[in-house]
Amino acid sequence: GENVEQHPSTLSVQEGDSAVIKCTYSDSASNYFPWYKQELGKRPQLIIDIRSNVGEKKDQRIAVTLNKTAKHFSLHITETQPEDSAVYFCAASLRRGAQKLVFGQGTRLTINP
Amino acid sequence: DGGITQSPKYLFRKEGQNVTLSCEQNLNHDAMYWYRQDPGQGLRLIYYSQIVNDFQKGDIAEGYSVSREKKESFPLTVTSAQKNPTAFYLCASSIEGVNTEAFFGQGTRLTVV
Repeated sequence: GENVEQHPSTLSVQEGDSAVIKCTYSDSASNYFPWYKQELGKRPQLIIDIRSNVGEKKDQRIAVTLNKTAKHFSLHITETQPEDSAVYFCAASLRRGAQKLVFGQGTRLTINP
Repeated sequence: DGGITQSPKYLFRKEGQNVTLSCEQNLNHDAMYWYRQDPGQGLRLIYYSQIVNDFQKGDIAEGYSVSREKKESFPLTVTSAQKNPTAFYLCASSIEGVNTEAFFGQGTRLTVV
């Protein structure tokens, strides 16, 4: 089955700097790669996603890149702010009968003022 | 902040007892999922269901059971066969189809005492 590896497990950056989180996946049939943000005590929420026919997608300060050949994708956050502090999860989705969403281990991002 | 509701928020169980976690959604979503969240291990898929009266095992289904008698409801039973049931459990739902966003409930924290 699909396996998603996420690095780093913790990341600390100065406010205003950029943060990058990387994920690799194992199943080349995976075709959808969402990123979720989970603030302390709250539910995970989708922040950005990318489909396998696209190499990059941006939404204001966040962007995601996908390299299908290497089977890895990354989340980029620029001009980080204190409210970006949270746990971020990548995921890969493949459809075999039903959509199955497999998550990475999570990255705890801390923005230092 | 509604749409998908989990109850209770906190649950305590004695060893050897079965316990059922509730998940209800009013989003008219076809697909529903149960994840287990442990520190450092991300979200691991327990069971998922694409339609009523049908469900599939995820990566860690042993010791758990589910039912999908109604589109709105996807209860999870943690049985006495689950060796390490203390965890945070998240339910999610999504529209049927390829590459669709998963919406999460607030979660249930289960503690075995």
